[in-house]
Amino acid sequence: DAMVIQNPRYQVTQFGKPVTLSCSQTLNHNVMYWYQQKSSQAPKLLFHYYDKDFNNEADTPDNFQSRRPNTSFCFLDIRSPGLGDAAMYLCATSSYPLSTDTQYFGPGTRLTVL
Amino acid sequence: AQSVTQPDIHITVSEGASLELRCNYSYGATPYLFWYVQSPGQGLQLLLKYFSGDTLVQGIKGFEAEFKRSQSSFNLRKPSVHWSDAAEYFCAVVVGSGNTGKLIFGQGTTLQVKP
Repeated sequence: DAMVIQNPRYQVTQFGKPVTLSCSQTLNHNVMYWYQQKSSQAPKLLFHYYDKDFNNEADTPDNFQSRRPNTSFCFLDIRSPGLGDAAMYLCATSSYPLSTDTQYFGPGTRLTVL
Repeated sequence: AQSVTQPDIHITVSEGASLELRCNYSYGATPYLFWYVQSPGQGLQLLLKYFSGDTLVQGIKGFEAEFKRSQSSFNLRKPSVHWSDAAEYFCAVVVGSGNTGKLIFGQGTTLQVKP
């Protein structure tokens, strides 16, 4: 029944060690988003894919990359995690890019950086 | 700049009492507005949305929200709160359009429900 699935739910990595977070969806949506949510803060959009077109937010650090090998899957790569990258990472999908379409969120992956 | 403000960081209500969570937006054009709820350690679930038409919007779990253009507000209400409503609530507005459209979230309001 799950529509947007994120794996793992909890990820621990070491400072500077690359890490990949995974998102998959069963909704066949065209758009997939990645958000970063730090403790007690609002989610902040990092980037999104509309089909194969990648759209990066202007203030997303170069340390964050993404891949979308097919419609169902999208990955978030953090090349050299710093302590400040510890956060909840949320994946979301929508049929079409906003403005009117609803986004469906996954449960999130909580990243800890040691 | 477009923004969303949730003036109340933390609200505590008794179970069975009514609830109103405030949201103010700053956006020049007709806003597309959303309320999401986030339980601890979980993703966001859509409660309701406003695009146009009737300014009183009904959502899931007994929630409703009223869009007031004159006040730039989109407050969330529930007549009788249940203990399971304890969560974080986010108001959001769409800014931009087409491929560049994105959600801007408020800072969130944490709802605590007393027995």
